[in-house]
Amino acid sequence: GENVGLHLPTLSVQEGDNSIINCAYSNSASDYFIWYKQESGKGPQFIIDIRSNMDKRQGQRVTVLLNKTVKHLSLQIAATQPGDSAVYFCAEKDNTDKLIFGTGTRLQVFP
Amino acid sequence: GAGVSQTPSNKVTEKGKYVELRCDPISGHTALYWYRQSLGQGPEFLIYFQGTGAADDSGLPNDRFFAVRPEGSVSTLKIQRTERGDSAVYLCASRLAGGDTQYFGPGTRLTVL
Repeated sequence: GENVGLHLPTLSVQEGDNSIINCAYSNSASDYFIWYKQESGKGPQFIIDIRSNMDKRQGQRVTVLLNKTVKHLSLQIAATQPGDSAVYFCAEKDNTDKLIFGTGTRLQVFP
Repeated sequence: GAGVSQTPSNKVTEKGKYVELRCDPISGHTALYWYRQSLGQGPEFLIYFQGTGAADDSGLPNDRFFAVRPEGSVSTLKIQRTERGDSAVYLCASRLAGGDTQYFGPGTRLTVL
């Protein structure tokens, strides 16, 4: 929604650089993880997902890494563009089918 | 194709009033979810439908909140006796049977004065 991202951790990167957004999850039983991008006034937009039987998955300009040992998830964005500026949420799902969202990180891209 | 749609986009109401929020899922998606997002927070789960039935309503905060999906497509979230603390963005998501990905709508911003 509007003003999503107030008081959130912020990552500032220069256009063209790579971005890494990190997320710690809580439930060792979670078997599915997903990253969403949320722009102000809009709903969360799917970016990339990964199941727990994998440790890396790549998409177009994005890569998700999963470390189950330390319960850590990261999103890497290559060649960050101004249009990538948004709040990014990770979410986890166990067998209950609902998503549990993390706090969110605001990504700011400057020229 | 068309994504998840939600109406209204904004709703302003007075404390104590009743409101209904509507969600149209992606055509063919059997699973439908409602989440609530407060300012500066991630979405929080409210309720999940598989077809017409509520498979999990553990996230509904109290009995003022109720949701229906009578024909297994459109869903309505109903809030009785609204309170100022109900002010938030209410998000709907849908998922294809057998898939994992939940696709979100744009949300309804509810403001209770």
